[in-house]
Amino acid sequence: DAGVTQSPTHLIKTRGQQVTLRCSPISGHKSVSWYQQVLGQGPQFIFQYYEKEERGRGNFPDRFSARQFPNYSSELNVNALLLGDSALYLCASSLSGDLGSNQPQHFGDGTRLSIL
Amino acid sequence: TQLLEQSPQFLSIQEGENLTVYCNSSSVFSSLQWYRQEPGEGPVLLVTVVTGGEVKKLKRLTFQFGDARKDSSLHITAAQPGDTGLYLCAGAKTNAGKSTFGDGTTLTVKP
Repeated sequence: DAGVTQSPTHLIKTRGQQVTLRCSPISGHKSVSWYQQVLGQGPQFIFQYYEKEERGRGNFPDRFSARQFPNYSSELNVNALLLGDSALYLCASSLSGDLGSNQPQHFGDGTRLSIL
Repeated sequence: TQLLEQSPQFLSIQEGENLTVYCNSSSVFSSLQWYRQEPGEGPVLLVTVVTGGEVKKLKRLTFQFGDARKDSSLHITAAQPGDTGLYLCAGAKTNAGKSTFGDGTTLTVKP
């Protein structure tokens, strides 16, 4: 069975541009979460979506937005890109909408975003 | 703020040695996961623990969740070069709508 898939794998943008990252969860998983991982640090929580509704939001500016589609895939949008947005963006899916349950998150290999 | 502190930050050992890495917090978590991440890849789930005092074993890896569900440890017996990677712990509270990661322990096992 396919795991979590993310596209594109790599992306180069310039400051001020906008970017859309895509994620397809594991089949049957209705929860999708997005994380930002800067080099040398652990992943930082951005959003969780469950059944197409936002369940949680991390401490990120309004330039970051996301949505989940009826097939449970998800997009992360970032507007007005800054140099500091350069990072690995990870998507994770899980069966449960409760991240504190015994149903863990499974991660994709991420999108490496570089801002010039 | 829920913070997860992982220690040590870096660990370099010889093949065959034993090691323990730690994940500590002042917050109580409903569940805690350990992941291993290799360069250019996403984190891969190793284990989930949900019960205080719980011990889980995965071959040479032993995971323990603290009685108060605030801390956890990962012990590796007879480390191998294939164990090299970034070990991350992540905690979440029931219906809190977020998951918190530590900054990881980078383990290098030399042949």
